[in-house]
Amino acid sequence: KQEVTQIPAALSVPEGENLVLNCSFTDSAIYNLQWFRQDPGKGLTSLLLIQSSQREQTSGRLNASLDKSSGRSTLYIAASQPGDSATYLCASYSGTYKYIFGTGTRLKVLA
Amino acid sequence: ETGVTQTPRHLVMGMTNKKSLKCEQHLGHNAMYWYKQSAKKPLELMFVYSLEERVENNSVPSRFSPECPNSSHLFLHLHTLQPEDSALYLCASSQVVAGPHNEQFFGPGTRLTVL
Repeated sequence: KQEVTQIPAALSVPEGENLVLNCSFTDSAIYNLQWFRQDPGKGLTSLLLIQSSQREQTSGRLNASLDKSSGRSTLYIAASQPGDSATYLCASYSGTYKYIFGTGTRLKVLA
Repeated sequence: ETGVTQTPRHLVMGMTNKKSLKCEQHLGHNAMYWYKQSAKKPLELMFVYSLEERVENNSVPSRFSPECPNSSHLFLHLHTLQPEDSALYLCASSQVVAGPHNEQFFGPGTRLTVL
């Protein structure tokens, strides 16, 4: 059974820092891995999707990587800003309607 | 309206009430999902509809009853809920149900409180 873990559960950094959020999964037989952002009490906003055949995806200051063999994905945020404060979730997709989510990393960027 | 919308955004109900949550997607997708998000727990998939047919039901109690009248609309009918059902209920949609291009888009959620 797929398990997705995100470490750390919470992170607080000063503005301007580059940071890395981690996502690990136990079953490497995935179709893709998706990163989301969730603001308090709100829905999920899709940030990046990495297909299983890809190694990384970039969007603006965000870069996500995928290493299926080690069961890991990272989300790199460059030059963090207070507006980046949110909870970041990763989800693996293994087909047959199976999206498995991690519990998220709660990020706070201090001005 | 664009993307995925959900109404109401907030709902407070007693254990004997009957209410419904509504989701609408404007993305032309053919699959829709209901998720439950409780504090400190991962999102839990509740139901999946593909082409208006229910294809997944993850052992959800019968007090939750989904309905998908067409590919753009999804409802979650609620009756005789318990306080532990209080959570954020999220609706999502995707273009295809299986495959590496499957990407889910979420609505803003309905915050449900059961008294």
